Amino acid sequence: SYELTQPPSVSVSPGQTASITCSGDKLGDKYACWYQQKPGQSPVLVIYQDNRRPSGIPGRFSGSNSGNTATLTISGTQAMDEADYYCQAWDSSTVIFGGGTKLTVL
Amino acid sequence: EVQLVESGGGLVQPGGSLRLSCAASGFSFSSYWMHWVRQAPGKGLVWVSRTNSDGNSTTYADSVKGRFTISRDNAKNTVYLQMSSLRAEDTAVYYCARDGGNSWYFDCWGQGTLVTVSS
Repeated sequence: SYELTQPPSVSVSPGQTASITCSGDKLGDKYACWYQQKPGQSPVLVIYQDNRRPSGIPGRFSGSNSGNTATLTISGTQAMDEADYYCQAWDSSTVIFGGGTKLTVL
Repeated sequence: EVQLVESGGGLVQPGGSLRLSCAASGFSFSSYWMHWVRQAPGKGLVWVSRTNSDGNSTTYADSVKGRFTISRDNAKNTVYLQMSSLRAEDTAVYYCARDGGNSWYFDCWGQGTLVTVSS
């Protein structure tokens, strides 16, 4: 079965750029999306179809997907961006999530 | 405003059954695929099931296939998840989610309902 792998944790200083990766076999041939989840809250879509941003999501969130790796980039990271981030793709009519990455802003 | 509200969660014994509901409002429900996604306490997101807009095509994660059934009533703007033969490992918050463009991503999520399977 298809798997997506994320680093368990990423740390970034306020104002700097955070990059969270998501790896899977030939992931670049599929669409990837990203969700942000803060403690006690439901997930929120921040990037879909590799690099498209839903309305209401700040421009500091961007995405890319090529080869075996999709990347979520947060430019000028703010304290409010501290959260768990999940990548997601689909394969053979099923949905796969990565294990999640805890982003710490310190 | 697009809104999804889940209900029906609770405590159930192993081997028991439960039906979750998700009431949708603020959008043309009958035009969208709908999904269920779960999250065990302290764990990550796991996709459970999907129904197309008509309800005549459904897919399931292997872990729930044969035990869970997704359905929808477009007249009531509601999607359901019938769960049977429940196991301890089914304990989770269950979210319903709208498919953004019938394209296997989720642009709107409910608040979730907790299912606890325990004796």
